[in-house]
Amino acid sequence: EAGVAQSPRYKIIEKRQSVAFWCNPISGHATLYWYQQILGQGPKLLIQFQNNGVVDDSQLPKDRFSAERLKGVDSTLKIQPAKLEDSAVYLCASSHRRQRNTEAFFGQGTRLTVV
Amino acid sequence: AQKITQTQPGMFVQEKEAVTLDCTYDTSDPSYGLFWYKQPSSGEMIFLIYQGSYDQQNATEGRYSLNFQKARKSANLVISASQLGDSAMYFCAMSFNAGKSTFGDGTTLTVKP
Repeated sequence: EAGVAQSPRYKIIEKRQSVAFWCNPISGHATLYWYQQILGQGPKLLIQFQNNGVVDDSQLPKDRFSAERLKGVDSTLKIQPAKLEDSAVYLCASSHRRQRNTEAFFGQGTRLTVV
Repeated sequence: AQKITQTQPGMFVQEKEAVTLDCTYDTSDPSYGLFWYKQPSSGEMIFLIYQGSYDQQNATEGRYSLNFQKARKSANLVISASQLGDSAMYFCAMSFNAGKSTFGDGTTLTVKP
């Protein structure tokens, strides 16, 4: 089966600009996650969707970050305006159910550099 | 609050030897799952092994085994017969019934020929 697809792989923008990342999860996976991974750290959950509804966005900086999952499939994560500290890898993951014993499948990530 | 601690920023192992990567966790929830993921330089996270909090036996998947000590809140990953392709970052993660996961900061494993 096809894995989680993310684009772009790399993005360089200037601070205060906006950027958007796209994710296509594994077919049939109802749960979708966006993680932020700063260099040298583990992934930090930004937002979790169940189908097209938000389950958890407690760590999403809502003044600048937004995410949507239209029709419960593809998802887009946007940053506007970007700050230097947003430089990180943004990982999208999906799983077929929202339970503790279900592993997540990850995309290759988008590496964002804010200059 | 849930927290995962990986105290080894970097580890070296000789090819064909075994290595243990440490993971301790903190939670007051009795129902949780523990995962190990591998992240090669290409960036994607690859699922390795899972252990449930109620599982009586330690999980094993091929060359990977999880040394689960519930009373000590530790879930160490053991890789037997290391291969050069095992060189990567390894992350321990904890998940709960809502599916939310918390990750540690990882251990970089380098396998020497």
